Amino acid sequence: GQQVMQIPQYQHVQEGEDFTTYCNSSTTLSNIQWYKQRPGGHPVFLIQLVKSGEVKKQKRLTFQFGEAKKNSSLHITATQTTDVGTYFCVSTTNAGKSTFGDGTTLTVKP
Amino acid sequence: GAGVSQSPSNKVTEKGKDVELRCDPISGHTALYWYRQSLGQGLEFLIYFQGNSAPDKSGLPSDRFSAERTGGSVSTLTIQRTQQEDSAVYLCASSRLAFASYEQYFGPGTRLTVT
Repeated sequence: GQQVMQIPQYQHVQEGEDFTTYCNSSTTLSNIQWYKQRPGGHPVFLIQLVKSGEVKKQKRLTFQFGEAKKNSSLHITATQTTDVGTYFCVSTTNAGKSTFGDGTTLTVKP
Repeated sequence: GAGVSQSPSNKVTEKGKDVELRCDPISGHTALYWYRQSLGQGLEFLIYFQGNSAPDKSGLPSDRFSAERTGGSVSTLTIQRTQQEDSAVYLCASSRLAFASYEQYFGPGTRLTVT
């Protein structure tokens, strides 16, 4: 089945620094979704990418889907303490089965 | 409107006992997912239901785990003869359709501790 590898596992940054997490698959993905889970909370949907080479922005967050649809990235510009949490990439097949990456846990030092 | 709800929020049980975890999805959502998240780990897909179709049970870790969804709405995840390795947060999510283009809405989870 589809597997997504996510790196890095942890990232510690100083407030104001940029942050990027990467998601890679050995197979072509039909789509990629990104979720954020705050400490003690549950995952919350951020965005979905479907098209090859797609780029979407949400304020300081930039999401990319690779041309081959085998990788994706989430980039946060000028991190803030509110960005703290674990970011997951998720691949879902049309049959409904979801595969979560292991997540990247971001900590931000004020 | 109301989001996904789960009960109980916390459950402590003795090894060997059976437990039932409940999930109430968002009204009108036809797809329902169960995941397991161990401390500091990612989400492990367990099972999903799509409408009245037979569920995909391929993610269930053992035959001690089973799930039902009655009337296409409420779902129950049952763990029989619990083991300590079953301790985790069990998350339920629902979406409008079990296709790739619909986001999943998660409930707050049930924290299961097996002593």
